[in-house]
Amino acid sequence: AQSVSQHNHHVILSEAASLELGCNYSYGGTVNLFWYVQYPGQHLQLLLKYFSGDPLVKGIKGFEAEFIKSKFSFNLRKPSVQWSDTAEYFCAVNARDSWGKLQFGAGTQVVVTP
Amino acid sequence: ETGVTQTPRHLVMGMTNKKSLKCEQHLGHNAMYWYKQSAKKPLELMFVYSLEERVENNSVPSRFSPECPNSSHLFLHLHTLQPEDSALYLCASSQDVSGGSYNEQFFGPGTRLTVL
Repeated sequence: AQSVSQHNHHVILSEAASLELGCNYSYGGTVNLFWYVQYPGQHLQLLLKYFSGDPLVKGIKGFEAEFIKSKFSFNLRKPSVQWSDTAEYFCAVNARDSWGKLQFGAGTQVVVTP
Repeated sequence: ETGVTQTPRHLVMGMTNKKSLKCEQHLGHNAMYWYKQSAKKPLELMFVYSLEERVENNSVPSRFSPECPNSSHLFLHLHTLQPEDSALYLCASSQDVSGGSYNEQFFGPGTRLTVL
């Protein structure tokens, strides 16, 4: 069965700092990869996704993620965070050869201080 | 209305009550999902419906009973719940349940359930 591991449960950083959130998955087959974000009091929103092609994916609000197949990783990055990036971030994976069941990581709470 | 809506947004119920959660999607999708989000745990998939047929029941206790009368509506009927069932219940929809690019899921705001 596939599983998703997010390295940090809680991250605190200052505005303008760089952010990198780790995500590793365990599944030997072809996968689709997602990062979702949940801002305080709001619903889960898709930040970016990878299905195929260029392993460096650009999403909304200046976020990007890189798929490294050999490392089973899909880390999320942002060069310079803003206070409004305070949110919980979830990595999710689904196996291409399955019916598309999404497996989520436990989430990383990111707090950006002014 | 756009996207995925859920009602009620908050629900407090006793262990002997019967209540229902409602989800509606306005995206023309064919698949709908119920998830449970508890603190410090990954989202747990509970049920999946594709074209109004249940395709996944992820070992969920029978006190949770889903219903999908059509591709736009999904219900979760609750009865004799336990305090540990308190959580945020999320509904999602997607174009279909294939493993391809159509599986991007769109989430509703959730129902915050508290069982006393």
